[in-house]
Amino acid sequence: AQTVTQSQPEMSVQEAETVTLSCTYDTSESDYYLFWYKQPPSRQMILVIRQEAYKQQNATENRFSVNFQKAAKSFSLKISDSQLGDAAMYFCAYRRNPRGSQGNLIFGKGTKLSVKP
Amino acid sequence: DAGITQSPRYKITETGRQVTLMCHQTWSHSYMFWYRQDLGHGLRLIYYSAAADITDKGEVPDGYVVSRSKTENFPLTLESATRSQTSVYFCASSEFGTGGVHGYGYTFGSGTRLTVV
Repeated sequence: AQTVTQSQPEMSVQEAETVTLSCTYDTSESDYYLFWYKQPPSRQMILVIRQEAYKQQNATENRFSVNFQKAAKSFSLKISDSQLGDAAMYFCAYRRNPRGSQGNLIFGKGTKLSVKP
Repeated sequence: DAGITQSPRYKITETGRQVTLMCHQTWSHSYMFWYRQDLGHGLRLIYYSAAADITDKGEVPDGYVVSRSKTENFPLTLESATRSQTSVYFCASSEFGTGGVHGYGYTFGSGTRLTVV
């Protein structure tokens, strides 16, 4: 069974600095998708960034980028120029290719990010 | 507005009572999911549905019942609530096949915080 591990329960970063959140996963599949979700205090789950396993190029979305290491099964999230609004719980998630199967999202336990002014 | 709506947002119930959490989506997504979120566990899948009248168990289905008579609705029922079911419950939906806006990610509702006393 697939598993997702976030080894950092809590992280802290100074405003305007860069922080990297770690995520590793275990799977025997070759075709899958990886996601980072942000959950602010409002509780809403917000998709931050996604990565298709077949793509070698790392995904980027403005200040958010990933370091996807397929062989190492690692999927870290880098937040540049951290802002106070980035403070939230961040979840890493894995989904096998859903075509032809349900492909449920499997979540890590989350990393709580604090941003210091 | 298109989206996914959960109700109620907060609920307090007594041990042994039946309670139903509602979920309604306007995306016409095929897949719908129920997760529970607990500290130290991240999000865990309770039940999911691939289409109307097709449901299946997830990781933690005991004590829960689901139905899906219409594509847009996916209610979750706790038949006899227990304190261990105190949690935040998220409903989510996803497209099948094309990936859609979120590229095989999920669209989440705002969650229901359920307290069983």
